[in-house]
Amino acid sequence: DTEVTQTPKHLVMGMTNKKSLKCEQHMGHRAMYWYKQKAKKPPELMFVYSYEKLSINESVPSRFSPECPNSSLLNLHLHALQPEDSALYLCASSQVGSGGREQYFGPGTRLTVT
Amino acid sequence: GNSVTQMEGPVTLSEEAFLTINCTYTATGYPSLFWYVQYPGEGLQLLLKATKADDKGSNKGFEATYRKETTSFHLEKGSVQVSDSAVYFCALSDPGRGSTLGRLYFGRGTQLTVWP
Repeated sequence: DTEVTQTPKHLVMGMTNKKSLKCEQHMGHRAMYWYKQKAKKPPELMFVYSYEKLSINESVPSRFSPECPNSSLLNLHLHALQPEDSALYLCASSQVGSGGREQYFGPGTRLTVT
Repeated sequence: GNSVTQMEGPVTLSEEAFLTINCTYTATGYPSLFWYVQYPGEGLQLLLKATKADDKGSNKGFEATYRKETTSFHLEKGSVQVSDSAVYFCALSDPGRGSTLGRLYFGRGTQLTVWP
């Protein structure tokens, strides 16, 4: 099974709201990722977790707060977002180790900030 | 540094036409190369991969060969279908550097539209 699931599929939130995006995988992968994708653009890396520890933060604003409660789950907590944060948020997972690693992506959460 | 250059789109073809989407790369180490496909309203799906020079990745009639001498990984399909309409991303993973652990470098993406 190469499935990564994400909830919710769509989210509309105001600039003062707090919400969370959730991601789950059961492939035994120990690396998990958050990406932001704007229309007609490639995904932009936001965060990387390796063995449940944050290993890469691509200078993402603090209004985005990632959390990795266990090896299967990844959350992205959202607070005080701006309209320009509206985008497709993708979660991905991969194995960790030497050699090139393909990443498996979830279907994404379409976020609209009003 | 690491980067991927994809041919500009969009690409519009008739059904059963031959498809080529060009991809070249720059890498500091020995990367693995990937093609991902994104259908409208969906996430990215891994289409095929190659992990070393002269490897050929293939899936669903699509093929790409890892050419180290030309630093290329062009995507080809002999006969496209309407259902192949999507955005295609070329990507590389450079596993050798600690600071780039797990990072994928994407090309800009190429929109393919196939007409019946």
